[in-house]
Amino acid sequence: DAGVIQSPRHEVTEMGQEVTLRCKPISGHDYLFWYRQTMMRGLELLIYFNNNVPIDDSGMPEDRFSAKMPNASFSTLKIQPSEPRDSAVYFCASSNRNRGEAFFGQGTRLTVV
Amino acid sequence: GEDVEQSLFLSVREGDSSVINCTYTDSSSTYLYWYKQEPGAGLQLLTYIFSNMDMKQDQRLTVLLNKKDKHLSLRIADTQTGDSAIYFCAGSSGGSYIPTFGRGTSLIVHP
Repeated sequence: DAGVIQSPRHEVTEMGQEVTLRCKPISGHDYLFWYRQTMMRGLELLIYFNNNVPIDDSGMPEDRFSAKMPNASFSTLKIQPSEPRDSAVYFCASSNRNRGEAFFGQGTRLTVV
Repeated sequence: GEDVEQSLFLSVREGDSSVINCTYTDSSSTYLYWYKQEPGAGLQLLTYIFSNMDMKQDQRLTVLLNKKDKHLSLRIADTQTGDSAIYFCAGSSGGSYIPTFGRGTSLIVHP
C-alpha cells in the first residue's frame, strides 16, 4: 500500500477563496482523522470518521470548515472562505482497530495571504 | 478524555543517550505510542507499548512505562544527528481508537 495520500502538498491562496484538501486513506482502515498543526497550538484533531461517518467534529474551529467522506477511499476538508489564520499544515491519518496506531499522510501546507 | 503532556525541547550531544518524557492522564489507555516527525513530513510511528508491559526495547530505542505515575519515556541510545526531529507521545483511551497527542518534543542533536 502506498500509505495515506494527501493532495496538494502545498497550497497558497488568497483570503476569501475556497480551499479543498484531499485525502486517500490506507485501504481497509476504518478510521480517518483530520489534524491541523501549527507552532502555537501543536497538533489539533479537527474531525474523525468511522466507516465514512463523521463521529466527532468538535475540533473544527468554525463553520467555515467542513469535511466529507463520500466513500471509504476518499475524504475532503474544505475551508470557505479561507482566512490568513487558517495557515497551517493539515494532516490526514487513518487507522484500524488492530492497535489503533495512526498512519499519517505527508500533509498539506496551506498558506492564506 | 486523554490528556498528554511532554516537554517542548531537548538538546543532546551526538553519541549521548536522549530521554524524552511524557505524562498522560487516562489510566485506561490501552496502547501508548511514540511518533517521530522529521522536517516537512508527517508523523511516523516509531514504537508502541501495550499497557500491561513495563518496558520494550527495539534496537536503540527503549520505552519505559510507569503505570502508577502515568509516565512514559523514550530513550534513544547513541543519539545521531539523523535523530533530530520532533517526537510525539500519544495514548488511546480504553475502548477508543482515537490517539491523543502531546505537543511534541523537539530533539536537537549537536556534534
